[in-house]
Amino acid sequence: EAGVAQSPRYKIIEKRQSVAFWCNPISGHATLYWYQQILGQGPKLLIQFQNNGVVDDSQLPKDRFSAERLKGVDSTLKIQPAKLEDSAVYLCASSLGRTAIQETQYFGPGTRLLVL
Amino acid sequence: AQSVTQLGSHVSVSEGALVLLRCNYSSSVPPYLFWYVQYPNQGLQLLLKYTSAATLVKGINGFEAEFKKSETSFHLTKPSAHMSDAAEYFCAVSSNTGKLIFGQGTTLQVKP
Repeated sequence: EAGVAQSPRYKIIEKRQSVAFWCNPISGHATLYWYQQILGQGPKLLIQFQNNGVVDDSQLPKDRFSAERLKGVDSTLKIQPAKLEDSAVYLCASSLGRTAIQETQYFGPGTRLLVL
Repeated sequence: AQSVTQLGSHVSVSEGALVLLRCNYSSSVPPYLFWYVQYPNQGLQLLLKYTSAATLVKGINGFEAEFKKSETSFHLTKPSAHMSDAAEYFCAVSSNTGKLIFGQGTTLQVKP
């Protein structure tokens, strides 16, 4: 079974530029998550989708970050404009069903963003 | 609110020695707890999870963890460390919506 795919793997941009990340979850997984992992810290949830609806985006900086999950499959996360503190690894994860509380989340390899 | 605290940001053991990585949680409801491992430049991989069935949970690669409600702990152990165990380990608790709340992580170093 193919895992969670993410692209690009690495991205370097200058502050105030925009950037987009793409995630393709495991086939059939209803729930998709975007986490931000700053160096030396544990991942922190940015946004959670169930199919194409948002379940939790309480920690998404909505003035600069946006995300969508068209047709309940692929997802894109965008940052516009980027700040230095956005330098982090952006992890996408997916899980199978509607009751996500005890389900295993499968993580992609991440996109490492460096903002100069 | 739920939270997780991992005691010790770095742990160093000799190859063949016991591995003990500590995790304490805070939760107002029965928790679902997870241990993930992250190798350099890779995503997170599930080691094991506690979902209220058995308090001693066995995972992959010889790891296990014991849920102790009285101590609010979910420590990760492995009897004999291998060089390939060197990685970063994250303890996490699941919220009621399924999002994972992670600890700060513990880097395990294994010395030959």
